[in-house]
Amino acid sequence: EDKVVQSPLSLVVHEGDTVTLNCSYEVTNFRSLLWYKQEKKAPTFLFMLTSSGIEKKSGRLSSILDKKELFSILNITATQTGDSAIYLCAVVSQAGTALIFGKGTTLSVSS
Amino acid sequence: DVKVTQSSRYLVKRTGEKVFLECVQDMDHENMFWYRQDPGLGLRLIYFSYDVKMKEKGDIPEGYSVSREKKERFSLILESASTNQTSMYLCASSSYYGATNEKLFFGSGTQLSVL
Repeated sequence: EDKVVQSPLSLVVHEGDTVTLNCSYEVTNFRSLLWYKQEKKAPTFLFMLTSSGIEKKSGRLSSILDKKELFSILNITATQTGDSAIYLCAVVSQAGTALIFGKGTTLSVSS
Repeated sequence: DVKVTQSSRYLVKRTGEKVFLECVQDMDHENMFWYRQDPGLGLRLIYFSYDVKMKEKGDIPEGYSVSREKKERFSLILESASTNQTSMYLCASSSYYGATNEKLFFGSGTQLSVL
């Protein structure tokens, strides 16, 4: 059965800290891995990763995929209170286009 | 920008009622999805559709049905609502084509409470 496991499930940090969120997966015929950020409403897209070792970067956020060890990390440097959200990891197998989500990591950044 | 619109942000229904959750997207996407999101369980796929009048069961289809009569609209139906269907329901869409066709665009969600 395909599955996605995120860790930690929740995290509390102070503004300015750097955090690393983890996502491991087991999926038949892996195609891509996606990260989303969810504040109070709709999840918003952050990154899509398909190749190992290529870092995707957007401002203070970055992500990388390791297809050999079957995991991805999402890094956030110099965290701000606006980074407080649920971070969702999802994978797609070639069996279909439905994303399989992990349970999410709830990040709280205190000032 | 892609817009996925869910008709209600909050909904309160009684057990046994028939409930319709509506979702409309404006980007001519072929794929549409319904997820529910519960604390500690993450997003779980209920149903999805690749085309008009087509539907596929997701991981937790029991107690739900769907309708896709038009390409832009995907409805989730709770035939007889039960308290364990109290949840946040998220609709999403994606294009069947293109290099990033896995990228889902989400609606703002409907928080359904069944009393």
